[in-house]
Amino acid sequence: DAKTTQPNSMESNEEEPVHLPCNHSTISGTDYIHWYRQLPSQGPEYVIHGLTSNVNNRMASLAIAEDRKSSTLILHRATLRDAAVYYCILRGPGFGNEKLTFGTGTRLTIIP
Amino acid sequence: GAGVSQSPSNKVTEKGKDVELRCDPISGHTALYWYRQSLGQGLEFLIYFQGNSAPDKSGLPSDRFSAERTGGSVSTLTIQRTQQEDSAVYLCASSPMVVGGNEQFFGPGTRLTVL
Repeated sequence: DAKTTQPNSMESNEEEPVHLPCNHSTISGTDYIHWYRQLPSQGPEYVIHGLTSNVNNRMASLAIAEDRKSSTLILHRATLRDAAVYYCILRGPGFGNEKLTFGTGTRLTIIP
Repeated sequence: GAGVSQSPSNKVTEKGKDVELRCDPISGHTALYWYRQSLGQGLEFLIYFQGNSAPDKSGLPSDRFSAERTGGSVSTLTIQRTQQEDSAVYLCASSPMVVGGNEQFFGPGTRLTVL
């Protein structure tokens, strides 16, 4: 499986935008980029995913570099509830690529 | 609608006993996954079901671990002769179909403690 590299931790002020980086230099042309987050004492929660183009949803935006070797999850206005571990995961299409391979993620701390 | 549910939420058992963990996926989801998260560790994949069959069991750590799924719905993860290293949070997830872009919906987990 292609690997991802994320900073171990980040801090951000409440109500400020947050940019969470992920490097995936060995990504294949068909790998999707998924982001999940895990709030304390909860199961992981899907945030967003994309393939080539930037993506927006109600939770966040995903900016994908043109060469797809890196991506950035953008939380537009952080709240205390956004404090979590954020995982960037590559997932191939089709059968044989069903499981999610979680790394260590980025622990995001929100400062009130 | 109802999300993925798991039971029990907490289980304390003695070393050597068998335990069963249950997962109720979201209705209509054909794919079901089991993961576990040990204290201070990341999430590791255990097994995946498509319908009632398990095409990928590669993450099961030993033959003490088994899982089944019936009726394309409920799944049970069984751990025989539990060991202290089995202590972890066991997470179940489901998804509506199996392609690279589909999201997985996770349950709250079962916290297993082996004394």
